[in-house]
Amino acid sequence: NAGVMQNPRHLVRRRGQEARLRCSPMKGHSHVYWYRQLPEEGLKFMVYLQKENIIDESGMPKERFSAEFPKEGPSILRIQQVVRGDSAAYFCASSPWAVQETQYFGPGTRLLVL
Amino acid sequence: GESVGLHLPTLSVQEGDNSIINCAYSNSASDYFIWYKQESGKGPQFIIDIRSNMDKRQGQRVTVLLNKTVKHLSLQIAATQPGDSAVYFCAETLSGGNNRLAFGKGNQVVVIP
Repeated sequence: NAGVMQNPRHLVRRRGQEARLRCSPMKGHSHVYWYRQLPEEGLKFMVYLQKENIIDESGMPKERFSAEFPKEGPSILRIQQVVRGDSAAYFCASSPWAVQETQYFGPGTRLLVL
Repeated sequence: GESVGLHLPTLSVQEGDNSIINCAYSNSASDYFIWYKQESGKGPQFIIDIRSNMDKRQGQRVTVLLNKTVKHLSLQIAATQPGDSAVYFCAETLSGGNNRLAFGKGNQVVVIP
C-alpha cells in the first residue's frame, strides 16, 4: 500500500512564475491537508480538503494561493506569482476520516524561488 | 507554541540511553495529540498518539505521557539508537476543529554512538 505521494520533490521557480504542487493521498483516504514548513520551524496548517470540497482554508494566504482536490486525480496546491518568501517545504497529509484520525504525511515538495 | 527561532533545542544522548522529549501545547481544549519524527529532507513520520482521556500510552520503545493540568506532553524513547536521530514534533488537534494539526516547537535529538 503506497503512502502519500507528492511531486515534484523539488521545484525551482523565478519570481512571478506559478508553482503547482501535487499530492496523491494514501489509498482509501479521502481527506487531504496541506502544511508549509519554513527552515527549523514546525509545520503550519494551510488548507483541508475533501473530494471536490474545501473544508477549511483558514491557514491559506488570502492572495495567490489556491487548492483543489478534484473527483479524479491528485490534490493540487497552486501558488501564483511566486515571491521569495514562498520558498519552503510544502507537505501534504491524508487521513481516512476527519475526526481525530492520524494524518500520514508525504515526503514534501521543496520550493525554491529565485 | 511554535518555533520561531533559528535554532532548535537539541538533546544529545548516548546510544542505549533513554531519551525524554518535552512539549508544551497551547490549547487546553485540544483532545488528540501526536508525536512525529522528521529526518532531514523527509516528511513527518507518525510515532505515537494519545487521546485526552488517557495520561499514558506505550508503543514499541516509546511512551507518551500527557498532563492536561499543565498542558504538557512528553515522549520517552527507550534504548535510543542512532536511527532515532531526528527532529521530533508534538502536534495537537481539537475534535470539531476539522482535524487540523497545530505543531509545537521541534526538538533535535542527536544520538552519540
